[in-house]
Amino acid sequence: DVKVTQSSRYLVKRTGEKVFLECVQDMDHENMFWYRQDPGLGLRLIYFSYDVKMKEKGDIPEGYSVSREKKERFSLILESASTNQTSMYLCASSLDRIAGQPQHFGDGTRLSIL
Amino acid sequence: GEDVEQSLFLSVREGDSSVINCTYTDSSSTYLYWYKQEPGAGLQLLTYIFSNMDMKQDQRLTVLLNKKDKHLSLRIADTQTGDSAIYFCAESMGNYGQNFVFGPGTRLSVLP
Repeated sequence: DVKVTQSSRYLVKRTGEKVFLECVQDMDHENMFWYRQDPGLGLRLIYFSYDVKMKEKGDIPEGYSVSREKKERFSLILESASTNQTSMYLCASSLDRIAGQPQHFGDGTRLSIL
Repeated sequence: GEDVEQSLFLSVREGDSSVINCTYTDSSSTYLYWYKQEPGAGLQLLTYIFSNMDMKQDQRLTVLLNKKDKHLSLRIADTQTGDSAIYFCAESMGNYGQNFVFGPGTRLSVLP
């Protein structure tokens, strides 16, 4: 089974802090994704990566950056956290760029910015 | 633009069948997916269907696809309390189908 592990289930940070959310997958997947999930807004794609050191903006990249130095790890960075970034963050991975590969999700990180 | 729509709530009695509906907009989508999210957890892949199929069955789950109407449904037979969750429909997008567009999710409540 695919295992996608997010480093924290719950995280509390202060406004203005630099925040790192980590995600690791153990199945040698090429694609990795970061979403945020908010009530009434569903899942929105922040960034994705289809290879090491490659990144593409999703629908809502503002205020975020990402890093993919190794194939198994995809980090989401909040450069200067703000209260409107309080949300559930979900990481996902999929095998490669062949159509139809399902995305597999981690358990999520619930981030609160005070 | 791409949009996936679902009704937000559904209540059924334990033992009845549940039918969760979804409409999507991109006729070029090659795969359509159903995910389940339990409270406080991530999304769990339930099943997916290729767009040239019209039905797929997997134990208690039946997926029906009407490509002409861009309508997808998930039927859960003999619904149990453990089926209470949010169910997301998703379509694949992008040059390689690697990006997904998710619906808002349908919250299924199973009443005893």
